[in-house]
Parts: sequence; C-alpha cells; structure tokens
Amino acid sequence: DTGVSQDPRHKITKRGQNVTFRCDPISEHNRLYWYRQTLGQGPEFLTYFQNEAQLEKSRLLSDRFSAERPKGSFSTLEIQRTEQGDSAMYLCASSLVAGGNQETQYFGPGTRLLVL
Amino acid sequence: AQSVSQHNHHVILSEAASLELGCNYSYGGTVNLFWYVQYPGQHLQLLLKYFSGDPLVKGIKGFEAEFIKSKFSFNLRKPSVQWSDTAEYFCAVNHRGAAGNKLTFGGGTRVLVKP
Repeated sequence: DTGVSQDPRHKITKRGQNVTFRCDPISEHNRLYWYRQTLGQGPEFLTYFQNEAQLEKSRLLSDRFSAERPKGSFSTLEIQRTEQGDSAMYLCASSLVAGGNQETQYFGPGTRLLVL
Repeated sequence: AQSVSQHNHHVILSEAASLELGCNYSYGGTVNLFWYVQYPGQHLQLLLKYFSGDPLVKGIKGFEAEFIKSKFSFNLRKPSVQWSDTAEYFCAVNHRGAAGNKLTFGGGTRVLVKP
C-alpha cells in the first residue's frame, strides 16, 4: 500500500496560466475526492468520482475548474486562467466503498498552488 | 447544509497535560464522524472514526473521542500528551444517505505541546 500520491507537490504560476494536478489513489480504491484547503481553514469539498464517473461537484468548482478520472484510476484537476484566489492546497483522497456508508477517506500530501 | 465547529483555534500545553478538543456539528440526521491529524510537514492522517455502536471510540496514539448525539458533539481527548502530539487536528463529518460521502471539516485546532 503506497498511499495516495499527488504531483506536483508545489506549483507557482502566474495569473492567467493554466495548471494541472495529478492524483494517484490507493490501488483499487473506487472513490476519489478533491478538496481545497486555504490557510487557517479546514479542507473544503470540490468534487468526487465513483470509478470514472464524476458524481458531484461543489459550487466552489467554477467553470474554470475541471476534473477527470478517465480510466477510474488516477485523476487530474485542471484550473484554467488561474486567479490569485485559487492559491491554496489541493488535496486528493481515496476510499474503497463496497456498499453501505462506512467509508474512510485517505488523503494524499496535497499540491500547494501559488498564483502570482 | 451541515457545518462543523471546532471551538479552539490554538491550544498550548505542557507534556503530560491532558488534552480535550471540542467538535460540534450541525446536521440532525445520522452521521459518520472523524478526527484527522496533520503533523508538521505531513499529510492528513486518520486518527479515529465513529460509524455506529459504542460512542466511545479509541484511536491511534492513545487518543479517544466520545460521540454525544444529544449534544451533536464528538470531542477528542488524550489523558497525557507528548511533545510529538504537536500538530493540527481536524474534526470531520459526513451524513449517511447522501450521494457520496463528502466530508465537512471544522476549521482545525493547532496544538503545541511544550517539552
């Protein structure tokens, strides 16, 4: 069990640029979540996938944000035309759900984005 | 929408002192409850969780939490802290029956244990 991994760990970009983050979940985990955490706050839900299907998106996820999980394994989160307000830690979590609601999410180390 | 409140933003205490961190949530239905910990420079790690059954839950590293349904609370406790417990602690909740089990987090409590 290698845990959830995220790449890159840090990203500095200029306002208006596009950025893409990758998350590799724990092997065979069928759910994958994206959260955003700003300084001094707890993580906030952005979106989640059950296998390759994106089932829910938060209102925090503006049109500039898009997430994919094409083969039900790794996921990417893209932010287009970045703004300074996008600066945050982007967290990925995965879980294995086999029925019922007793689900535990395991988090990756996050990608810290700084938009200049 | 559900919300989670953690009453203390910062806690400073000495080694061997007892620790209690408060967590209250707003959702009135059946919930799952979690405490995560983030040590300096590390990622969020699960400390303990409650799904059902005994409301007193034991976690790793000597931590425990008690679910009090009538108070909508899930407070975290440790009888005797160590310097290595210095970390940020997050309470999180999801409600059963919702599509997906997205977590709603509290704002976190930074705990500093002085040696």
